[in-house]
Amino acid sequence: GIQVEQSPPDLILQEGANSTLRCNFSDSVNNLQWFHQNPWGQLINLFYIPSGTKQNGRLSATTVATERYSLLYISSSQTTDSGVYFCAVEETSGSRLTFGEGTQLTVNP
Amino acid sequence: EPEVTQTPSHQVTQMGQEVILRCVPISNHLYFYWYRQILGQKVEFLVSFYNNEISEKSEIFDDQFSVERPDGSNFTLKIRSTKLEDSAMYFCASSEVTEAFFGQGTRLTVV
Repeated sequence: GIQVEQSPPDLILQEGANSTLRCNFSDSVNNLQWFHQNPWGQLINLFYIPSGTKQNGRLSATTVATERYSLLYISSSQTTDSGVYFCAVEETSGSRLTFGEGTQLTVNP
Repeated sequence: EPEVTQTPSHQVTQMGQEVILRCVPISNHLYFYWYRQILGQKVEFLVSFYNNEISEKSEIFDDQFSVERPDGSNFTLKIRSTKLEDSAMYFCASSEVTEAFFGQGTRLTVV
């Protein structure tokens, strides 16, 4: 099956810093999503981004499908950004999402 | 905004007991899923359901698991005889075709 690798596994920032999280995948995909898992365990949709670039406030994401990677940018980080960020890919429409191992982000005040 | 809702949010059960986890997917969605996440690990796919039947299942989804859409709104996951290793967060998800949306999860603890 498809492999999804995220880096870095852990990231510690000071409030106000910027960061880039990376997701590599081993095969072509129909769908790619970024999620934030908050401290209560909820998976919050950040981006649906099979290709191209999207922005939502301080967050933006870029997927280069031909090179099989996606990047999540967090600017001016806040303590509420802490949690685990997951990348997940879908190989064909309506099929399972395969998740990466996640990046544990800690933003210190 | 429409959302996927799951009940209960927490459940503690004795080993060997049956549990039913309930989900109400987003109303116009066609695809339904169950995933689980053992504490500290990544989210793993269990099963997908489309057009009133299982469309795909993982190797985790063995004979102790079953899914059902008993009416037009609910989607359930039954674990027949729970084991200690079934302790995890269980997520229901639904999608229209593309973007999947997840419920808040049910934390199952088997003691």
